[in-house]
Amino acid sequence: GQQLNQSPQSMFIQEGEDVSMNCTSSSIFNTWLWYKQDPGEGPVLLIALYKAGELTSNGRLTAQFGITRKDSFLNISASIPSDVGIYFCAGYDRGGSGNTGKLIFGQGTTLQVKP
Amino acid sequence: EAQVTQNPRYLITVTGKKLTVTCSQNMNHEYMSWYRQDPGLGLRQIYYSMNVEVTDKGDVPEGYKVSRKEKRNFPLILESPSPNQTSLYFCASRGGSLNYGYTFGSGTRLTVV
Repeated sequence: GQQLNQSPQSMFIQEGEDVSMNCTSSSIFNTWLWYKQDPGEGPVLLIALYKAGELTSNGRLTAQFGITRKDSFLNISASIPSDVGIYFCAGYDRGGSGNTGKLIFGQGTTLQVKP
Repeated sequence: EAQVTQNPRYLITVTGKKLTVTCSQNMNHEYMSWYRQDPGLGLRQIYYSMNVEVTDKGDVPEGYKVSRKEKRNFPLILESPSPNQTSLYFCASRGGSLNYGYTFGSGTRLTVV
Protein backbone atom coordinates (compact mmCIF):
# COMPACT_ATOMS: atom_id res chain seq x y z
CA GLY A 1 0.00 0.00 0.00
CA GLN A 2 0.94 3.64 -0.06
CA GLN A 3 3.44 4.95 2.47
CA LEU A 4 4.14 8.34 3.95
CA ASN A 5 7.68 9.35 4.85
CA GLN A 6 7.84 11.96 7.56
CA SER A 7 10.89 13.96 8.59
CA PRO A 8 12.60 14.73 10.77
CA GLN A 9 11.97 11.85 13.18
CA SER A 10 12.64 14.06 16.18
CA MET A 11 13.46 17.65 17.02
CA PHE A 12 14.75 19.29 20.17
CA ILE A 13 14.39 23.05 20.04
CA GLN A 14 14.49 26.12 22.23
CA GLU A 15 11.26 27.83 23.23
CA GLY A 16 10.46 30.62 20.81
CA GLU A 17 12.03 28.94 17.79
CA ASP A 18 10.12 28.10 14.64
CA VAL A 19 9.68 24.46 13.62
CA SER A 20 9.25 22.84 10.21
CA MET A 21 8.43 19.26 9.37
CA ASN A 22 7.37 17.57 6.18
CA CYS A 23 5.76 14.49 4.75
CA THR A 24 6.30 12.91 1.35
CA SER A 25 4.70 10.12 -0.61
CA SER A 26 5.60 8.21 -3.76
CA SER A 27 2.00 8.53 -4.93
CA ILE A 28 -0.64 11.23 -5.06
CA PHE A 29 -2.91 12.08 -2.15
CA ASN A 30 -6.04 14.20 -2.46
CA THR A 31 -6.27 15.04 1.22
CA TRP A 32 -3.56 15.76 3.79
CA LEU A 33 -4.20 15.84 7.52
CA TRP A 34 -1.91 16.86 10.36
CA TYR A 35 -2.42 15.46 13.87
CA LYS A 36 -0.76 16.04 17.22
CA GLN A 37 -0.49 13.41 19.95
CA ASP A 38 0.11 14.47 23.53
CA PRO A 39 1.72 11.95 25.87
CA GLY A 40 -0.80 9.33 26.99
CA GLU A 41 -3.53 10.53 24.66
CA GLY A 42 -4.91 9.80 21.22
CA PRO A 43 -4.00 11.98 18.22
CA VAL A 44 -5.98 15.18 17.73
CA LEU A 45 -6.60 16.74 14.32
CA LEU A 46 -4.81 20.06 13.83
CA ILE A 47 -5.24 20.97 10.18
CA ALA A 48 -6.89 19.44 7.12
CA LEU A 49 -5.86 20.28 3.53
CA TYR A 50 -8.04 19.44 0.56
CA LYS A 51 -6.54 21.16 -2.52
CA ALA A 52 -3.11 21.18 -4.12
CA GLY A 53 -1.29 24.41 -3.24
CA GLU A 54 -3.59 25.14 -0.33
CA LEU A 55 -2.06 26.98 2.62
CA THR A 56 -4.02 26.81 5.87
CA SER A 57 -3.33 28.27 9.31
CA ASN A 58 -4.55 27.37 12.77
CA GLY A 59 -3.11 29.83 15.27
CA ARG A 60 0.67 29.44 15.24
CA LEU A 61 0.41 26.43 12.94
CA THR A 62 0.58 26.66 9.17
CA ALA A 63 0.33 23.72 6.79
CA GLN A 64 0.65 23.50 3.03
CA PHE A 65 -0.57 20.95 0.50
CA GLY A 66 2.22 20.50 -2.04
CA ILE A 67 1.61 21.36 -5.70
CA THR A 68 2.61 17.87 -6.80
CA ARG A 69 0.10 16.40 -4.29
CA LYS A 70 2.90 14.15 -3.07
CA ASP A 71 3.98 16.21 -0.10
CA SER A 72 2.85 18.45 2.72
CA PHE A 73 4.54 20.73 5.23
CA LEU A 74 3.71 21.82 8.76
CA ASN A 75 5.27 24.88 10.37
CA ILE A 76 4.96 25.95 13.99
CA SER A 77 5.96 29.50 14.79
CA ALA A 78 7.28 30.75 18.12
CA SER A 79 7.19 27.36 19.82
CA ILE A 80 6.06 27.06 23.44
CA PRO A 81 6.45 24.17 25.93
CA SER A 82 2.92 22.86 25.31
CA ASP A 83 3.87 22.18 21.67
CA VAL A 84 5.69 19.09 22.94
CA GLY A 85 4.31 15.90 21.46
CA ILE A 86 4.31 13.73 18.36
CA TYR A 87 3.12 15.24 15.09
CA PHE A 88 1.72 12.98 12.40
CA CYS A 89 0.86 13.57 8.79
CA ALA A 90 -1.88 11.42 7.30
CA GLY A 91 -3.58 10.90 3.97
CA TYR A 92 -6.35 8.79 2.51
CA ASP A 93 -5.32 5.86 0.36
CA ARG A 94 -6.37 5.34 -3.25
CA GLY A 95 -7.18 8.89 -4.23
CA GLY A 96 -8.51 10.05 -0.91
CA SER A 97 -12.01 10.84 -2.14
CA GLY A 98 -13.13 10.85 1.46
CA ASN A 99 -15.36 7.90 0.80
CA THR A 100 -12.69 5.51 1.87
CA GLY A 101 -11.99 4.83 5.53
CA LYS A 102 -8.36 3.91 4.93
CA LEU A 103 -6.29 6.70 6.46
CA ILE A 104 -2.51 6.21 6.34
CA PHE A 105 -0.15 7.86 8.82
CA GLY A 106 3.48 8.88 8.65
CA GLN A 107 5.94 7.64 11.26
CA GLY A 108 5.64 10.84 13.29
CA THR A 109 7.92 13.70 14.34
CA THR A 110 8.64 13.90 18.06
CA LEU A 111 9.03 17.50 19.19
CA GLN A 112 10.68 18.53 22.44
CA VAL A 113 10.81 22.17 23.49
CA LYS A 114 13.32 23.45 26.00
CA PRO A 115 11.98 26.34 28.11
CA GLU B 1 -19.54 15.47 25.21
CA ALA B 2 -18.68 14.08 21.75
CA GLN B 3 -16.17 11.31 22.19
CA VAL B 4 -14.80 7.91 21.31
CA THR B 5 -14.64 5.63 24.33
CA GLN B 6 -12.52 2.52 24.39
CA ASN B 7 -12.03 0.03 27.19
CA PRO B 8 -10.00 -1.07 28.92
CA ARG B 9 -7.19 1.52 29.06
CA TYR B 10 -4.65 -1.07 30.14
CA LEU B 11 -4.68 -4.83 29.71
CA ILE B 12 -2.14 -7.55 30.44
CA THR B 13 -2.99 -10.99 29.16
CA VAL B 14 -1.37 -14.32 28.34
CA THR B 15 -0.67 -15.81 24.95
CA GLY B 16 -3.68 -17.51 23.43
CA LYS B 17 -6.36 -16.12 25.73
CA LYS B 18 -9.09 -14.50 23.65
CA LEU B 19 -9.81 -10.88 24.41
CA THR B 20 -12.03 -8.05 23.19
CA VAL B 21 -11.34 -4.33 23.30
CA THR B 22 -14.54 -2.33 23.12
CA CYS B 23 -15.06 0.93 21.28
CA SER B 24 -18.09 3.18 21.28
CA GLN B 25 -18.78 6.61 19.75
CA ASN B 26 -21.65 9.00 20.48
CA MET B 27 -21.37 11.17 17.35
CA ASN B 28 -23.48 9.04 15.00
CA HIS B 29 -20.40 8.61 12.79
CA GLU B 30 -20.52 6.27 9.81
CA TYR B 31 -16.83 5.43 9.76
CA MET B 32 -14.92 3.67 12.51
CA SER B 33 -11.40 2.31 12.58
CA TRP B 34 -8.78 0.56 14.68
CA TYR B 35 -5.08 1.46 14.70
CA ARG B 36 -2.06 0.14 16.50
CA GLN B 37 0.88 2.35 17.41
CA ASP B 38 4.39 1.02 17.77
CA PRO B 39 7.63 3.01 18.28
CA GLY B 40 9.13 4.17 15.00
CA LEU B 41 6.23 2.82 12.95
CA GLY B 42 3.60 5.47 13.54
CA LEU B 43 -0.04 4.46 13.45
CA ARG B 44 -0.97 1.48 11.34
CA GLN B 45 -4.55 0.74 10.43
CA ILE B 46 -5.87 -2.69 11.39
CA TYR B 47 -9.49 -2.60 10.19
CA TYR B 48 -12.05 0.01 9.33
CA SER B 49 -15.79 0.10 8.87
CA MET B 50 -17.78 2.37 6.56
CA ASN B 51 -21.12 1.54 8.14
CA VAL B 52 -23.06 -1.18 9.92
CA GLU B 53 -22.06 -4.64 8.63
CA VAL B 54 -19.46 -3.09 6.27
CA THR B 55 -15.83 -3.65 7.24
CA ASP B 56 -12.53 -3.82 5.38
CA LYS B 57 -8.92 -4.64 6.11
CA GLY B 58 -6.32 -2.02 6.80
CA ASP B 59 -2.58 -2.58 6.50
CA VAL B 60 -2.08 -4.99 9.42
CA PRO B 61 -5.25 -7.09 9.86
CA GLU B 62 -3.60 -10.45 10.61
CA GLY B 63 -4.54 -11.83 14.02
CA TYR B 64 -7.48 -9.45 14.51
CA LYS B 65 -11.21 -9.55 13.94
CA VAL B 66 -13.83 -6.82 14.07
CA SER B 67 -17.59 -6.54 13.86
CA ARG B 68 -20.00 -3.67 13.31
CA LYS B 69 -23.44 -4.80 14.36
CA GLU B 70 -24.47 -1.36 15.61
CA LYS B 71 -23.43 2.05 14.35
CA ARG B 72 -21.98 3.20 17.65
CA ASN B 73 -19.88 0.12 18.51
CA PHE B 74 -16.82 -1.37 16.83
CA PRO B 75 -15.10 -3.99 19.02
CA LEU B 76 -11.63 -5.35 18.26
CA ILE B 77 -11.22 -9.07 18.88
CA LEU B 78 -7.97 -10.97 19.34
CA GLU B 79 -8.89 -14.65 19.10
CA SER B 80 -5.45 -15.94 20.10
CA PRO B 81 -3.18 -13.07 21.17
CA SER B 82 0.55 -13.37 20.70
CA PRO B 83 3.41 -11.28 22.13
CA ASN B 84 3.88 -9.44 18.81
CA GLN B 85 0.43 -7.94 19.36
CA THR B 86 1.72 -6.07 22.40
CA SER B 87 1.02 -2.49 21.37
CA LEU B 88 -0.96 0.69 21.95
CA TYR B 89 -4.34 0.48 20.24
CA PHE B 90 -6.57 3.34 19.17
CA CYS B 91 -10.16 3.35 18.04
CA ALA B 92 -11.35 6.26 15.89
CA SER B 93 -14.49 7.46 14.15
CA ARG B 94 -15.50 10.09 11.63
CA GLY B 95 -18.50 11.35 9.74
CA GLY B 96 -19.23 11.12 6.01
CA SER B 97 -17.18 12.26 3.06
CA LEU B 98 -17.30 15.97 3.86
CA ASN B 99 -15.63 15.44 7.23
CA TYR B 100 -12.29 13.77 6.69
CA GLY B 101 -10.71 13.79 10.11
CA TYR B 102 -10.95 10.82 12.44
CA THR B 103 -11.60 11.49 16.13
CA PHE B 104 -9.51 9.19 18.29
CA GLY B 105 -10.12 7.51 21.62
CA SER B 106 -7.59 7.66 24.45
CA GLY B 107 -5.99 4.33 23.67
CA THR B 108 -5.66 0.82 25.09
CA ARG B 109 -2.23 -0.39 26.08
CA LEU B 110 -2.12 -4.15 25.59
CA THR B 111 0.64 -6.41 26.83
CA VAL B 112 0.67 -10.07 25.83
CA VAL B 113 3.04 -12.26 27.85
